[in-house]
Amino acid sequence: GIQVEQSPPDLILQEGANSTLRCNFSDSVNNLQWFHQNPWGQLINLFYIPSGTKQNGRLSATTVATERYSLLYISSSQTTDSGVYFCAVPPKGGGGNKLTFGTGTQLKVEL
Amino acid sequence: DGGITQSPKYLFRKEGQNVTLSCEQNLNHDAMYWYRQDPGQGLRLIYYSQIVNDFQKGDIAEGYSVSREKKESFPLTVTSAQKNPTAFYLCASRRGTADYGYTFGSGTRLTVV
Repeated sequence: GIQVEQSPPDLILQEGANSTLRCNFSDSVNNLQWFHQNPWGQLINLFYIPSGTKQNGRLSATTVATERYSLLYISSSQTTDSGVYFCAVPPKGGGGNKLTFGTGTQLKVEL
Repeated sequence: DGGITQSPKYLFRKEGQNVTLSCEQNLNHDAMYWYRQDPGQGLRLIYYSQIVNDFQKGDIAEGYSVSREKKESFPLTVTSAQKNPTAFYLCASRRGTADYGYTFGSGTRLTVV
């Protein structure tokens, strides 16, 4: 099956700093999603981004499908941004749209 | 408010016991999923169901069982055959047939004592 790798695995930022998280995938995909898991375990969908760039407030994401990677940008980070960020992709043939998740980037934003 | 409710939040199991994790949604979503998360790792799919009375194995189904008798409910049973059940379990649902629009529950943390 498809392999999904994320980097860096861990990241510590001072509040107000910017960061870029990367997601590489081993095969072509029809779409890609970014999720944020807060420290209490709740997963929230951030972006559905099969290609191109999307922005939502201080967050933006870019997927370059032809080169099999996606980037998540966090600007002016806040302590509430802490948690784990996952990217996830479905199998190309559909297959119930079950997602394959990367291993995540653990982000801690400090004052 | 519409959403997914998982219960209990914390569950302790003795060796050799079966336990059932509850997942209920009032979003009218057709598809439901169970994922397992281990520390420092991503989510791995256990079982999924696209319609009532039908479900398929995911990547790590051994030692688990599910049922889908109602659209709203997708309980997961962790059987004694699951050798390493201590983990965080997340239930999700998805609207329609589009491959986006996932909603996740807040999870159940299962610990074997």
